[in-house]
Amino acid sequence: QSALTQPRSVSGSPGQSVTISCTGTDSDVGGYKYVSWYQQYPGKAPKLLIYDVNNRPSGVPDRFSGSKSGNTASLTISGLQGEDEADYYCCSYTGTYTHVLFGGGTKLTVL
Amino acid sequence: EVQLVQSGAEMKKPGESLKISCKGSGYTFTNYWIGWVRQMPGKGLEWMGLIYPRDSDTRYSPSFQGHVTFSADTSTNTAFLQWRGLKASDTAFYYCARQTPTVTSSDYWGQGTLVTVSS
Repeated sequence: QSALTQPRSVSGSPGQSVTISCTGTDSDVGGYKYVSWYQQYPGKAPKLLIYDVNNRPSGVPDRFSGSKSGNTASLTISGLQGEDEADYYCCSYTGTYTHVLFGGGTKLTVL
Repeated sequence: EVQLVQSGAEMKKPGESLKISCKGSGYTFTNYWIGWVRQMPGKGLEWMGLIYPRDSDTRYSPSFQGHVTFSADTSTNTAFLQWRGLKASDTAFYYCARQTPTVTSSDYWGQGTLVTVSS
């Protein structure tokens, strides 16, 4: 199975909103409500931002939101802040524990 | 506080064996699957598979099946990732990650272990 497709980079100015897309197939993103999103700073471990398409773990600001339509999931970050500059990865669990797919990652630059 | 603490960086030669660890604390270790994720230098995240520490049920991604082994020691709340016969292409950061109860995402991550394989 191929990795999920994400844009390599996105950018936005402080206070703006940006959306990162994550495209898969009927067999992963489109077939299950198991899309998650992770934030990773350089040299650090990933951190869970969104799970099961649109749920935020406690402690994650509500500026981060997730959605899904068909085979494409999206992460929206509103009210961009400088600290949001990081890499973002989507992930789809496909119903079997052996086939979990990550996106290639998107680098967010805050201008 | 849930924590996963991984063992330190390793430098190995091709063909050598290696076992790295991931120690969980702040939760009931046997009740949650532990996943392993690879990140090669400058690249994205890759799913390696899972282990359920309570009974050592393991599930490997086809891409890693046969090349790595997962294990767990419930007496020390530690999960392990092992290689027999390292290759230069195994050079990467390796992360352990606790799975949510529904096993649909990774909610807590270790800090990562850098494995460097070079002659």
